[in-house]
Amino acid sequence: QKEVEQNSGPLSVPEGAIASLNCTYSDRGSQSFFWYRQYSGKSPELIMSIYSNGDKEDGRFTAQLNKASQYVSLLIRDSQPSDSATYLCAVNAGNQFYFGTGTSLTVIP
Amino acid sequence: NAGVMQNPRHLVRRRGQEARLRCSPMKGHSHVYWYRQLPEEGLKFMVYLQKENIIDESGMPKERFSAEFPKEGPSILRIQQVVRGDSAAYFCASSPRTGTAGELFFGEGSRLTVL
Repeated sequence: QKEVEQNSGPLSVPEGAIASLNCTYSDRGSQSFFWYRQYSGKSPELIMSIYSNGDKEDGRFTAQLNKASQYVSLLIRDSQPSDSATYLCAVNAGNQFYFGTGTSLTVIP
Repeated sequence: NAGVMQNPRHLVRRRGQEARLRCSPMKGHSHVYWYRQLPEEGLKFMVYLQKENIIDESGMPKERFSAEFPKEGPSILRIQQVVRGDSAAYFCASSPRTGTAGELFFGEGSRLTVL
């Protein structure tokens, strides 16, 4: 059973703070890792992908991957109210993409 | 460069009718995935297709649901004899490849309401 686990939240942070979102996965054969943002009533939007151990930064977003610990995280710096959404962690293993149930983030102005 | 196109965006059906949902992948993408999402729940995998082939349908209910991705035209998810429990958002996603660097891009979704 391939699983992707996320804390469902809700996670609340004040505007300007760092939001930290975490994800663990069970399949050691997983090759690619993704973070999606989903606003209520909308479709998932890809915001970060990471393929090798370490950090990957893109603007205010940093993805971190530790394959030995089977752990992926997403840091959002200088959080804005517009970052309030559900964040989905996804893992690609072979032909399949496995999604976590998402973490709800609220950024308080 | 158009993204993943889904139609209809909203569909209302009465119990027992058929629902057909269409998905055109992004240009250059040959891998199509269908997911279902209930309100306040996560994405549930249904089926993975390539042109003219169903690769993995392990998430599809055994009855009433079918999917195809013909050589020409969009991928179609078909739900026969719909029931109220089929009411959900159905998302199509496409990818240019699987494995390393195979990113998945989603369409806007088709929201099915069964009366």
